[in-house]
Amino acid sequence: NAGVMQNPRHLVRRRGQEARLRCSPMKGHSHVYWYRQLPEEGLKFMVYLQKENIIDESGMPKERFSAEFPKEGPSILRIQQVVRGDSAAYFCASSLQGNTIYFGEGSWLTVV
Amino acid sequence: AQRVTQPEKLLSVFKGAPVELKCNYSYSGSPELFWYVQYSRQRLQLLLRHISRESIKGFTADLNKGETSFHLKKPFAQEEDSAMYYCALKKSGTSGSRLTFGEGTQLTVNP
Repeated sequence: NAGVMQNPRHLVRRRGQEARLRCSPMKGHSHVYWYRQLPEEGLKFMVYLQKENIIDESGMPKERFSAEFPKEGPSILRIQQVVRGDSAAYFCASSLQGNTIYFGEGSWLTVV
Repeated sequence: AQRVTQPEKLLSVFKGAPVELKCNYSYSGSPELFWYVQYSRQRLQLLLRHISRESIKGFTADLNKGETSFHLKKPFAQEEDSAMYYCALKKSGTSGSRLTFGEGTQLTVNP
C-alpha cells in the first residue's frame, strides 16, 4: 500500500494563476480530507469529501477554492486566481469510514 | 464547538531530560484524542491515540477528563524526538474522521 499520494510536492504559481493539487487516498479509503498549514501556524481543516460528495466544507474559503473527489481518479483541490496569502502546505488525508486518518506528504504551494 | 489548545509553541530540552507537551481541549461530549508528529517537512504521522493506551517511541499520554487534558510525556528525551507535535480531537459518534488540531508545539532536543 503506497499510502496517501499527493502531487505535485512543490508548486510555484504567479498571482492570478490557478493551482491544482491532487490526492490519491490509500487503497480502499473512501474518505478524503484536506488541511492547510500556513507558515508558522498549525493545521486547519478545509474540507471533507467522500466519493462524489462534499460532506463538510466549513473550513474552505468561500471564494476561489473548490474541491472534488470524483468516482474515478484522485481528489483535487483547486485554487483559482491565487494570491500570496495562499502560499502554504496543503495536506491531504484519507480514512476508511471513521477510522484513523493517514496523511500524505503535502503539497507546498508558493505564490510569487 | 470543539477546540484544542497547545499552550507552548516552542519547547526546548536537553537530551535525557523529561519532556511534557501540554494539550487541553474543550468539547462537551466524549472526544477521541490523538497526538501526531511531523518531522521536518514530512507527512504527519500518528503517534498515539488515547483509546489505545499504548506507548510509542517511549511517549505516553493519558486522557484526564477532569482537567480536559491529554498531555504527551516522555521520561528521557532523545535528539531524534525533535519535531513538531500536534494534539488533535475527533468528535465521537461522527461519521468520517475529521480532526481538530491544536497549533502545534515545536520540540527541540539539544545534545
